[in-house]
Amino acid sequence: AQKVTQAQTEISVVEKEDVTLDCVYETRDTTYYLFWYKQPPSGELVFLIRRNSFDEQNEISGRYSWNFQKSTSSFNFTITASQVVDSAVYFCALSEAVGETSGSRLTFGEGTQLTVNP
Amino acid sequence: DTEVTQTPKHLVMGMTNKKSLKCEQHMGHRAMYWYKQKAKKPPELMFVYSYEKLSINESVPSRFSPECPNSSLLNLHLHALQPEDSALYLCASSQSPLRKRGNTIYFGEGSWLTVV
Repeated sequence: AQKVTQAQTEISVVEKEDVTLDCVYETRDTTYYLFWYKQPPSGELVFLIRRNSFDEQNEISGRYSWNFQKSTSSFNFTITASQVVDSAVYFCALSEAVGETSGSRLTFGEGTQLTVNP
Repeated sequence: DTEVTQTPKHLVMGMTNKKSLKCEQHMGHRAMYWYKQKAKKPPELMFVYSYEKLSINESVPSRFSPECPNSSLLNLHLHALQPEDSALYLCASSQSPLRKRGNTIYFGEGSWLTVV
């Protein structure tokens, strides 16, 4: 069975601090995909990034960066120079196909509540 | 802005009421999903529609009845709900139901449901 662990339940930082959100996953699949989603208080789950198991290249998008390390089964997310608008719950997720034509299922971590204070 | 649109955004219903949640996407996606999310918990999969056919039911009680009238629309009919069914209901879609676990699932803003 697949599992995603986000050990940090809540993180509180002051604006402009850098913050890293941890994600550790378990899967027996050799091909898999990892995702990060952001959920602000409004409720919508906003897609941030997708990474496949064959691509260990780190990615940077503006203030966001992701560090994928297959050797440690981790896919950590760093926000540089955090802003108040970054306050949200962040979910790490692992995708599995559930059949030839049945779409895919996301296994979510429990989420990390990030609060950025002014 | 999300390309998965859900209505209503908020719904309060009594335990004897019948109501529906609606979801629409115009991205040409052929897989659509209903997720349920309780407070401070991750979303949980309820149903998956693949090419307008129900492909997965995660043992959801029959008081929740999904419907997919066409490739762009997904409904969730609600009847005789319990207070513990109060939650955020998220609709989502992905490009192709074919065995591609890497398809990104895009979510709507959700419908906040309160059962009184």
